[in-house]
Amino acid sequence: DARVTQTPRDKVTEMGQEVTMRCQPILGHNTVFWYRQTMMQGLELLAYFRNRAPLDDSGMPKDRFSAEMPDATLATLKIQPSEPRDSAVYFCASGPGTQGVDTQYFGPGTRLTVL
Amino acid sequence: GDSVTQMEGPVTLSEEAFLTINCTYTATGYPSLFWYVQYPGEGLQLLLKATKADDKGSNKGFEATYRKETTSFHLEKGSVQVSDSAVYFCALSDPTDKLIFGTGTRLQVFP
Repeated sequence: DARVTQTPRDKVTEMGQEVTMRCQPILGHNTVFWYRQTMMQGLELLAYFRNRAPLDDSGMPKDRFSAEMPDATLATLKIQPSEPRDSAVYFCASGPGTQGVDTQYFGPGTRLTVL
Repeated sequence: GDSVTQMEGPVTLSEEAFLTINCTYTATGYPSLFWYVQYPGEGLQLLLKATKADDKGSNKGFEATYRKETTSFHLEKGSVQVSDSAVYFCALSDPTDKLIFGTGTRLQVFP
């Protein structure tokens, strides 16, 4: 049963520290998405990739957030420096890239707490 | 731009009651429509989907019909269980594979 995996599952850090979250998409999927979920804002799309190329990162604060796909099996989301307002659950999702009819498969999320 | 509107929650029901969660959408093209479910502490899971007008998606007793004339995709279940308690998200796919999500509706089912 193929699944999206994310590490770490939980992260507590102090303001100003660098945070790196990792995602392994389902093998063969060529779209990858990063979302942030908070009580106040709900589910927000931060960035997404097709065939490892970033297509849209307009939802991401550019000054502190960066998203990359070093290879087809790894996507990373980095926050430097982190701030308390970044506390949220961050989800990665992947999809097969069938335009317009895609199902996205979500990972379990990384719960980030910035003190 | 494309958007999804869901009914506000929480929806509170007794076990075996009938469930409806309303969802309407605005889209310039012909999107696919989805319902995702999020159980406490987990990521979102696809519940059902429909890819064209008049299609009915169904899974685990849940159903939703793609109504182009009313731009709606309401979620229904005839008899809910306590285990159905979760947050339900309606979504549409835009032509670039992005999903546009509604704000989510929390369902609480009591024995």
